[in-house]
Amino acid sequence: KQEVTQIPAALSVPEGENLVLNCSFTDSAIYNLQWFRQDPGKGLTSLLLIQSSQREQTSGRLNASLDKSSGRSTLYIAASQPGDSATYLCAQGGYQKVTFGTGTKLQVIP
Amino acid sequence: DVKVTQSSRYLVKRTGEKVFLECVQDMDHENMFWYRQDPGLGLRLIYFSYDVKMKEKGDIPEGYSVSREKKERFSLILESASTNQTSMYLCASSFHGQINQPQHFGDGTRLSIL
Repeated sequence: KQEVTQIPAALSVPEGENLVLNCSFTDSAIYNLQWFRQDPGKGLTSLLLIQSSQREQTSGRLNASLDKSSGRSTLYIAASQPGDSATYLCAQGGYQKVTFGTGTKLQVIP
Repeated sequence: DVKVTQSSRYLVKRTGEKVFLECVQDMDHENMFWYRQDPGLGLRLIYFSYDVKMKEKGDIPEGYSVSREKKERFSLILESASTNQTSMYLCASSFHGQINQPQHFGDGTRLSIL
């Protein structure tokens, strides 16, 4: 059974800090790993998708890495801003299914 | 701009009612998904569909059914609503061959069963 874990559940940082969000998965038969952002009361917005053959993806101030051997992915956010405050979810894509973590709620304090 | 639209943002229904949640996408996606999201449990897949009139059970299909009569529309049906179905419901879609990559989500329907 696929399980995806995100620790911590909540994180508060001052504006301008660089930060790392963690995601652990148990199934080594991973097809891809996605990071999403969810604002309160809203749906999910895809941020980055890493295929199993890749090690990282970058978009602007975001960088996501994938280490299949250790079952871990990280989302690095550079120079955090108050607008980055949201819940970040990772999702492991397997054969015909996606398993989501429960998310890390990030608050960036001005 | 690509869009997945869920018919209601908030919905309040009574126990035993038949409830319909509608989702429409304008991206010509083959795959469509229904999830529910609960605190501490994350997103759980209820049903998905990879083509018109096709449906597959997800992880928690009990108490739900779905309908996909047109490519752009995927409906979730609560046959007889119960209080444990109070939740946030999210619809998503993706292209064919991307069952493991639901990339586009609607804004969700927060459903309360009283």
